[in-house]
Amino acid sequence: AQSVSQHNHHVILSEAASLELGCNYSYGGTVNLFWYVQYPGQHLQLLLKYFSGDPLVKGIKGFEAEFIKSKFSFNLRKPSVQWSDTAEYFCAVIGGGYQKVTFGTGTKLQVIP
Amino acid sequence: DTGVSQDPRHKITKRGQNVTFRCDPISEHNRLYWYRQTLGQGPEFLTYFQNEAQLEKSRLLSDRFSAERPKGSFSTLEIQRTEQGDSAMYLCASSLAQFATNEKLFFGSGTQLSVL
Repeated sequence: AQSVSQHNHHVILSEAASLELGCNYSYGGTVNLFWYVQYPGQHLQLLLKYFSGDPLVKGIKGFEAEFIKSKFSFNLRKPSVQWSDTAEYFCAVIGGGYQKVTFGTGTKLQVIP
Repeated sequence: DTGVSQDPRHKITKRGQNVTFRCDPISEHNRLYWYRQTLGQGPEFLTYFQNEAQLEKSRLLSDRFSAERPKGSFSTLEIQRTEQGDSAMYLCASSLAQFATNEKLFFGSGTQLSVL
């Protein structure tokens, strides 16, 4: 069964600091990986996704994520965070064929001006 | 608004009562998911449909939970004999993807259930 682990539950950064949120998945075969974001008071929405090809994926608002197959990881990064990046970030996976989307527990990011 | 809509937004019920939630996906979206989310946790998978077919139901769900999508459009989630542990935000999401590679979920605002 597919699963996702996010080890950072709550991250506090100052504006302009660099961000890296960890995500590890558990599935032995082909995977599709996602990062979703939930801004305060808003719906969950897709930030970026990986399905094949270049393991470095770029998403909206300057976010990127790198798929490292040997480490079963898909960490989210941003070189310089802004106050508006304050949100909860969820890593998600689809393993093998076209199954259900499974989410991690999420990381709350708080950016201090 | 042509997004995913859920009704009601909030539901307060007494333990032992039955509740039903409705989800209207984006028109023509073939996949519909139900998730449950509690404070500090990510969306927990409950069940999902491809058109009207229910493809999978979480083994964590008891028989008190049932979902339908009779015509492949809207869906209902019913919880019978509610328990305090059922208190959570129930999220619905839909997608138009044909393959995992172009999967993109659109979420509704959710139904916040409080069981007293």
